[in-house]
Amino acid sequence: KQEVTQIPAALSVPEGENLVLNCSFTDSAIYNLQWFRQDPGKGLTSLLLIQSSQREQTSGRLNASLDKSSGRSTLYIAASQPGDSATYLCAVRPADTGRRALTFGSGTRLQVQP
Amino acid sequence: GAGVSQSPSNKVTEKGKDVELRCDPISGHTALYWYRQRLGQGLEFLIYFQGNSAPDKSGLPSDRFSAERTGESVSTLTIQRTQQEDSAVYLCASSLAHTGGNYGYTFGSGTRLTVV
Repeated sequence: KQEVTQIPAALSVPEGENLVLNCSFTDSAIYNLQWFRQDPGKGLTSLLLIQSSQREQTSGRLNASLDKSSGRSTLYIAASQPGDSATYLCAVRPADTGRRALTFGSGTRLQVQP
Repeated sequence: GAGVSQSPSNKVTEKGKDVELRCDPISGHTALYWYRQRLGQGLEFLIYFQGNSAPDKSGLPSDRFSAERTGESVSTLTIQRTQQEDSAVYLCASSLAHTGGNYGYTFGSGTRLTVV
């Protein structure tokens, strides 16, 4: 059974800092890994999707990496801003075609102090 | 539509009543997923639809929960005889899904269900 772990569970940083969020998963047989952002009381917003054959994806100040063989992904946020405050979730999609549901980590709650 | 639409956005119901939650996926997305998120907890998978059939309903917590999808479009999640532990945000997502399966999800804003 796939398990996804995110470290740290919570993080508070001053504005302007660069930071790294970590995600690890136990079963490397995945199709892709997706990072989401969740604001309080809201749904999930997709940030980056990394295919299993890719090593990283970039969007603006965000960079996500994937090391499938070791079961790890990182989300790098450059020059953090108060508007980045949210919960960040990583999720993996299994390679088993009979089971397409994502498995989510518990998230990292980020607070960026102005 | 432009995004995944869920209704109602909020629902308060009395214990023991039945509720229906609705999800309108992105047009053309053949795969549809229901998740549940209890307060302060992670996302819990409930059921997955490919077209109108549900190949994976392993996450439904009890026989009080059921879901259907019609016309490869709208899906409804029904909870019968609601209990207080059913209180959660119910999230729906859709994706393109072919045999390769290498597509991302788009989530709706969720339905916040409160059972009193």
